[in-house]
Amino acid sequence: DVVLTQSPATLSVTPGERISLSCRASESVDTYLHWYQQKPNESPRLLIKYASQSISGIPSRFSGSGSGTDFTLSINGVELEDLSIYYCQQGNSLPFTFGSGTKLEIK
Amino acid sequence: QVQLKESGPGLVQPSQTLSLTCTVSGFSLTSNSVHWVRQPPGKGLEWMGGIWGDGSTDYNSALKSRLSISRDTSKSQVFLKMNSLQTDDTAIYFCNRYYGYTYGFDYWGQGVMVTVSS
Repeated sequence: DVVLTQSPATLSVTPGERISLSCRASESVDTYLHWYQQKPNESPRLLIKYASQSISGIPSRFSGSGSGTDFTLSINGVELEDLSIYYCQQGNSLPFTFGSGTKLEIK
Repeated sequence: QVQLKESGPGLVQPSQTLSLTCTVSGFSLTSNSVHWVRQPPGKGLEWMGGIWGDGSTDYNSALKSRLSISRDTSKSQVFLKMNSLQTDDTAIYFCNRYYGYTYGFDYWGQGVMVTVSS
């Protein structure tokens, strides 16, 4: 199974900051890597697909990059509403796997 | 618009069988796949398995011996059955649509909380 390691586990941020979240795969997943945002007591929401492709309705401050084993989710100007847990997920091979998540907190 | 909604019992006794239904609308089960993902309280997401547009299924090997996913296309419903439940199966169970390898899980249900307890 592909193991996805997300770092950091928790990130304390100041509104307006530009931040980057990391997702590293135990083997290449090409660009079949997707990012999700989960707010408290809500279902996950697809944020970025196929490593870097934007999703309709998602603010443009969210962007993704990477390929192979190293991926990054960036938020250009964090807003209070972005306080959530962010998960990466690989769709390159079964079983589909998720990272353990990065929790965004206010500093 | 695309919607998914899970339904089922909130409480299941240990060693019993869990049965959940995912009712979908806005898309066809014969040309899309539906999967189940669960999340124990305060923990991360685990892919359980799914049923593809052609009716074939795939399961997480850790659950394969206990898990069955099926569907009724005429009712736009997908079913999850998992036997021999234990307390560590307590979780929120989500169904979602997997739109393809380049799309990920693009729509999710609201989830249903299942507690395994006597």
